[in-house]
Amino acid sequence: RKEVEQDPGPFNVPEGATVAFNCTYSNSASQSFFWYRQDCRKEPKLLMSVYSSGNEDGRFTAQLNRASQYISLLIRDSKLSDSATYLCVVNLRTGNQFYFGTGTSLTVIP
Amino acid sequence: SAVISQKPSRDICQRGTSLTIQCQVDSQVTMMFWYRQQPGQSLTLIATANQGSEATYESGFVIDKFPISRPNLTFSTLTVSNMSPEDSSIYLCSGSGLKNTDTQYFGPGTRLTVL
Repeated sequence: RKEVEQDPGPFNVPEGATVAFNCTYSNSASQSFFWYRQDCRKEPKLLMSVYSSGNEDGRFTAQLNRASQYISLLIRDSKLSDSATYLCVVNLRTGNQFYFGTGTSLTVIP
Repeated sequence: SAVISQKPSRDICQRGTSLTIQCQVDSQVTMMFWYRQQPGQSLTLIATANQGSEATYESGFVIDKFPISRPNLTFSTLTVSNMSPEDSSIYLCSGSGLKNTDTQYFGPGTRLTVL
């Protein structure tokens, strides 16, 4: 079983739509969680950390559900510029082991 | 966030040769990592670069093929040795442990093509 699993998509949504991605992780000892964004032919860039209390940054909301071992990312009012691959990342802080999901591809359509 | 630079940004190499990729971080990090990302795939961790000692390699990666150095906290190199076309990929370095956080920041990557 993979440490981190994501639906690869692709998700094709119209501008203005709301879209949600989920990611599940297998190790209950995981301690920190992140969403990264990766544009084509670019390096991954941190989008936001995910906390148990939830985390909101403008149109982006991230949630963590430890009981069910999943994290989510909600994007409201999608923009064309949101088109990218979104990577779920889980850190077992012990040994600083980072595990990456395979990424979810989003295309926002005019 | 840290600024992480890599060079070269891209290279085209002949089979059987070796390429050394350099990674420089602008502030001290506790951890540095090397990843490989093949087209359409997610990142695969090659190894953790340890300062002043041998790197810690993930399953499927060995020191003879991917020797790594980290002479100080802000600099590391990855060598891809005796290259074959299967080594064509993007190689990314990352750093974490900045300002007491465990977030990773990535360099821009090195796009390697082996003919």
